Amino acid sequence: QKEVEQNSGPLSVPEGAIASLNCTYSDRGSQSFFWYRQYSGKSPELIMFIYSNGDKEDGRFTAQLNKASQYVSLLIRDSQPSDSATYLCASSWGNDYKLSFGAGTTVTVRA
Amino acid sequence: DGGITQSPKYLFRKEGQNVTLSCEQNLNHDAMYWYRQDPGQGLRLIYYSQIVNDFQKGDIAEGYSVSREKKESFPLTVTSAQKNPTAFYLCASRTLQGPYNEQFFGPGTRLTVL
Repeated sequence: QKEVEQNSGPLSVPEGAIASLNCTYSDRGSQSFFWYRQYSGKSPELIMFIYSNGDKEDGRFTAQLNKASQYVSLLIRDSQPSDSATYLCASSWGNDYKLSFGAGTTVTVRA
Repeated sequence: DGGITQSPKYLFRKEGQNVTLSCEQNLNHDAMYWYRQDPGQGLRLIYYSQIVNDFQKGDIAEGYSVSREKKESFPLTVTSAQKNPTAFYLCASRTLQGPYNEQFFGPGTRLTVL
């Protein structure tokens, strides 16, 4: 099984601050990386994906990928209470593009 | 509305019973997946299928069975051989057009063993 590790959290940040989430992966053959948000009791929904080294920005979210270090991160700028959720990191690998998920990091944004 | 439906939302199983969880998608996706999520843990792959009448075991297939008779449907049976089936079960699907396409998730079924 391909390993994906996330900073364990929980992470508590004040409203308006930056939340920083980290993820490392074991398989150098991993091709693309996904960040899912999961509210309590709900199913995951995609926030961002990234497959090239560097940064990718989408609104208040920025994903960063460093393949040499096997490291993926997600920054949430101007955090809002609605960002309070568990964030799952996943890597895609193999010819059939299976996903391996980390255990998730729970973020709480304090108003 | 395109999407993935799972039923039932909640399911209770007695010891020794087999139960079947339904997953249907109208996204015309080729690939479908079943995951299990336990509290405080990520998703673990049970089974997946990329084509009708074919499926592959994931990391934790023991005690589970699936079928893929139609492109739209991928039901999961939790058998009595699964010793600890209480969990949140998620079905997902994706297109096979390249490695960068996301998996879309259904709303999930929460299974509890009585």
